[in-house]
Amino acid sequence: NAGVTQTPKFRVLKTGQSMTLLCAQDMNHEYMYWYRQDPGMGLRLIHYSVGEGTTAKGEVPDGYNVSRLKKQNFLLGLESAAPSQTSVYFCASSLMASGKETQYFGPGTRLLVL
Amino acid sequence: AQKITQTQPGMFVQEKEAVTLDCTYDTSDPSYGLFWYKQPSSGEMIFLIYQGSYDQQNATEGRYSLNFQKARKSANLVISASQLGDSAMYFCAMREGLGQGGKLIFGQGTELSVKP
Repeated sequence: NAGVTQTPKFRVLKTGQSMTLLCAQDMNHEYMYWYRQDPGMGLRLIHYSVGEGTTAKGEVPDGYNVSRLKKQNFLLGLESAAPSQTSVYFCASSLMASGKETQYFGPGTRLLVL
Repeated sequence: AQKITQTQPGMFVQEKEAVTLDCTYDTSDPSYGLFWYKQPSSGEMIFLIYQGSYDQQNATEGRYSLNFQKARKSANLVISASQLGDSAMYFCAMREGLGQGGKLIFGQGTELSVKP
């Protein structure tokens, strides 16, 4: 049981380049999320998904796209990277059981846009 | 507007003692969830505990408990029997509504240092 995994762990991009971050979970969770964390701050929600084939915008969705073609995978795409997208990206999944929510995070992806 | 405040930028605690990290929140929605996270210097984000606004009892997870005082709008994290490995940044967060989707609002964080 690997939990939540993210690929890659670190990436350097030039302005205007594109890339896709992959998140995978093996816990059969419906809900998955992409967050970014900037220095000295908490997380901000980019996009989330409530199940296979569905996605929704979060707090800071501009410049990002997502897809959830398979339940276990949630992809985050940057079509044209900008220096403002330099951040640490966390993927998460969650489960609600007996009225209690539990969240599981991936290890994070450090992205540097030059 | 929803808001989370953590007034303690940094705290020290002696190993094996208990420590309370403060968190106050503001929302006009009667339904909300409160969360605490731990972020060690390694950078990973670890979910610790959840409290729903209608929960009658304080949430507990091992050495972590959430002291939920609804009338005061406070959701303090209590760590019992501190360990050196508890040294980390701790974030309090809130989401309006009781569903799993939607925006999480984070506090500024409290950096906890556990002294041997």
